[in-house]
Order: sequence, then C-alpha cells, then structure tokens
Amino acid sequence: EIVLTQSPDTLSLSPGERATLSCRASQSVSRYLNWYQQKPGQAPRLVIYDASIRATGIPDRFRGSGSGTDFTLTISRIEPEDFAVYHCQHRSNWPYTFGQGTMLEIK
Amino acid sequence: QVQLQESGPGLVKSSETLSLTCSVSGASISDYYWSWIRQAPGKGLEWIGYIDYSGSVKYSPSLKSRVSISVDMSKNQFSLKLSSATAADTAVYYCASYSGSTLDFWGQGTLVTVSS
Repeated sequence: EIVLTQSPDTLSLSPGERATLSCRASQSVSRYLNWYQQKPGQAPRLVIYDASIRATGIPDRFRGSGSGTDFTLTISRIEPEDFAVYHCQHRSNWPYTFGQGTMLEIK
Repeated sequence: QVQLQESGPGLVKSSETLSLTCSVSGASISDYYWSWIRQAPGKGLEWIGYIDYSGSVKYSPSLKSRVSISVDMSKNQFSLKLSSATAADTAVYYCASYSGSTLDFWGQGTLVTVSS
C-alpha cells in the first residue's frame, strides 16, 4: 500500500499570502495524484487532478505540480474561502489512499 | 447535476453489521464507478471500496474480510455492509461517484457511531 505523507500538518497564514502544501508518496505514483479541499461539516471537493490539472470551477490561484513521489499544491494569494483542510490522494494502484491532510488556517 | 444521499442507522451496536445505502439522482448507475469513503473523527479519509454497474468491486485490503458493496440498478442505489463493527468503525461515511480518475460528486456524509 502506498503511503502519502502531507506536510505541514497545519499551515497558519494570512489572506493574500502564498501557501505551499506538500504531499510525498512512499513510492512513485507517476502523475496520478489528486488534491481535495474540505471545509468543516462538508464533503471534500476536487481541486486538482493528475497532479496539475485544475478541476472545473477552480480558480487559477490554485496550482498543482510534481510527479513521481513529490507533489506540491500552491495557492498564490490566499482568499478567505480557501481556509480549509487539503487532502492528497493517489490512484496509481489499488488500494488508493489519502494523505492525513493539511489544515490551512487563518493566522 | 449529480446528487448522492446516504441513508441508514446512525447508531450501530458493536459486533453487528453497519449498513448504509446511497441514492443517486441526476445520473445512472451505469455512468460511473460508485465509492464508499469514511473519515473517523479528527482523522483523514479512507477509501473503503468501489463498484461498477456490473458488480465488479474493489475493497480495501484492511477491510476486505468484513465489507460488501452492492448495486441496485432498478433503484439507482448502491449499498455498503460492514460486518462485526467495532468502535474503530465510528466515522462519517461518504458515498461518491468515481470517474476512474477522480471522485467527482459526494454525498453530504452520515455519521455512524458504533457503541458497545
């Protein structure tokens, strides 16, 4: 089973700042890496798929990058609605797994 | 717009079977794979398994001995059964559509508590 490790666990930033979230896989997942955003009391929402493709309706301040074992989600200028938990997830081989999540909180 | 709605008991006794159903609207069961994902309190997401309209399934190895996912095309629903439930199975359970690459549409989630 591929283990995804996200860092940091919590990221405290102010609106307008740049956020950099990391996801590291225990073995290569090629580019089969997705990012989801989850707000309190809500289901997750797809943000980025296949490492770098923005999902429908996702603003261009969200950027995904990486391949193999190291991936990054960057939010160029954080908006108030971006504060949430972000989960990475791979689909390289079953079982598909998620990272433990990174909480992006208001500083 | 595809909509999913989980239903089932919110409280299950330890050692009994946890059973949930997901009703799908806005799409046919044959359009996607259908997934169950759970999230224990304060924890990350765990993919339990998924099924396609033909009944072909994938289960998480850690749950494979206890889990069953089935589909009812006539009702446009799919279901989850998890036997021998324990407190470790207490979680919010989500149903979701899986395109083969992404989890696109999710239910609102339902909290299931396993009590002794």
